[in-house]
Amino acid sequence: SQTIHQWPATLVQPVGSPLSLECTVEGTSNPNLYWYRQAAGRGLQLLFYSVGIGQISSEVPQNLSASRPQDRQFILSSKKLLLSDSGFYLCAWSRSSYNSPLHFGNGTRLTVT
Amino acid sequence: AQSVTQLDSHVSVSEGTPVLLRCNYSSSYSPSLFWYVQHPNKGLQLLLKYTSAATLVKGINGFEAEFKKSETSFHLTKPSAHMSDAAEYFCVVRGYSTLTFGKGTMLLVSP
Repeated sequence: SQTIHQWPATLVQPVGSPLSLECTVEGTSNPNLYWYRQAAGRGLQLLFYSVGIGQISSEVPQNLSASRPQDRQFILSSKKLLLSDSGFYLCAWSRSSYNSPLHFGNGTRLTVT
Repeated sequence: AQSVTQLDSHVSVSEGTPVLLRCNYSSSYSPSLFWYVQHPNKGLQLLLKYTSAATLVKGINGFEAEFKKSETSFHLTKPSAHMSDAAEYFCVVRGYSTLTFGKGTMLLVSP
């Protein structure tokens, strides 16, 4: 069966510090991968998605970036965090067929102080 | 273009009573529809999915949903609420290349 791992679970970082969140998927190959952010009262916002290694689509311009160095690894990064980057970050995967559901990791609670 | 509207931001029920969470959608294509549940500080868990097969879809934990094309609805139901059902629920529509989440419905279950 497929599993998705996301870490860390919680993170407190000062403004201006770098960020690296990692997500890996097991039990499937060539998944579509996604990063979402969930801010209080604002629903889910798609940040990045990837349909293959090295292929990243950005949905929202901001100081975050994403990379996919391996087929089942997806990394969310920032060089300098802003207070507004605080939120709950969710990684997800899906099969490539258009009617496939997304499967989410347990999320990372990021607090920028 | 597609959209999804969850008609209630909060729903309160007593334990043992039925649950109804409402979702309406619009889509230019024949959509796939999903319901997810999210407990505090957890990821979203897939409850059920509709992908153009049977219109009545059964999911996990006793939940089910009925796809009604004429009403463009995909309401989530459960015959008897349990305390552990208290969580936030998201209706999601997937078109050809896009995925749209509803704003969520918080389900409160009182003893």
